[in-house]
Amino acid sequence: QVQLQESGPGLVKPSGTLSLTCAVSGGSISSSNWWSWVRQPPGKGLEWIGEIYHSGSTNYNPSLKSRVTISVDKSKNQFSLKLSSVTAADTAVYYCAREGGYYDSSGYYYPCFDYWGQGTLVTVSS
Amino acid sequence: DIQMTQSPSSLSASVGDRVTITCRASQSISSYLNWYQQKPGKAPKLLIYAASSLQSGVPSRFSGSGSGTDFTLTISSLQPEDFATYYCQQSYSTLVDTFGQGTKLEIK
Repeated sequence: QVQLQESGPGLVKPSGTLSLTCAVSGGSISSSNWWSWVRQPPGKGLEWIGEIYHSGSTNYNPSLKSRVTISVDKSKNQFSLKLSSVTAADTAVYYCAREGGYYDSSGYYYPCFDYWGQGTLVTVSS
Repeated sequence: DIQMTQSPSSLSASVGDRVTITCRASQSISSYLNWYQQKPGKAPKLLIYAASSLQSGVPSRFSGSGSGTDFTLTISSLQPEDFATYYCQQSYSTLVDTFGQGTKLEIK
């Protein structure tokens, strides 16, 4: 059973950099999966931030791309998020998630977020 | 980018009711549509993938349908534990994942 656990500071100052790590257990980060970050501001919906493959390939939400860096550490079986120049609008619960998926009978692959961390609240405040 | 629009944003229903939530994509996404359930203070949980396939362990009262741009999540007979917020998510784009804004299902 794959498990994901987020860690990092719960409080970040405005204009600073938010840094979080997601530790993966019960599976290898070098498996054929993408690994994502998703956030949820208090009382609001889910926003996909970006994803990384074990090769280091990344995709980012265009609305955050200029401020986001996602990296992977295969030796520690974990991946990380850095979000720079944060403001109060970046206050949210941050989740890491595995993008697994399934093949249908025709061989088409359907990605989905099948494993999630419990989430960690990051507050941006002075 | 592909936009996902859910309706309604909130819904009141009673135990035993049949409930339908709709999700519309801004362009065709074939069957690349997933549904998640989220309870307060918890991470989202995958319910349905590929528009209509039930994730292992999810009760059969949940079902999904649709393809192209219009999709539905149906709960055939609401149970007390089903009161939560539901999100759709498109996985058609290989570059950007997008969620709907959510539908909060409340007890009437």
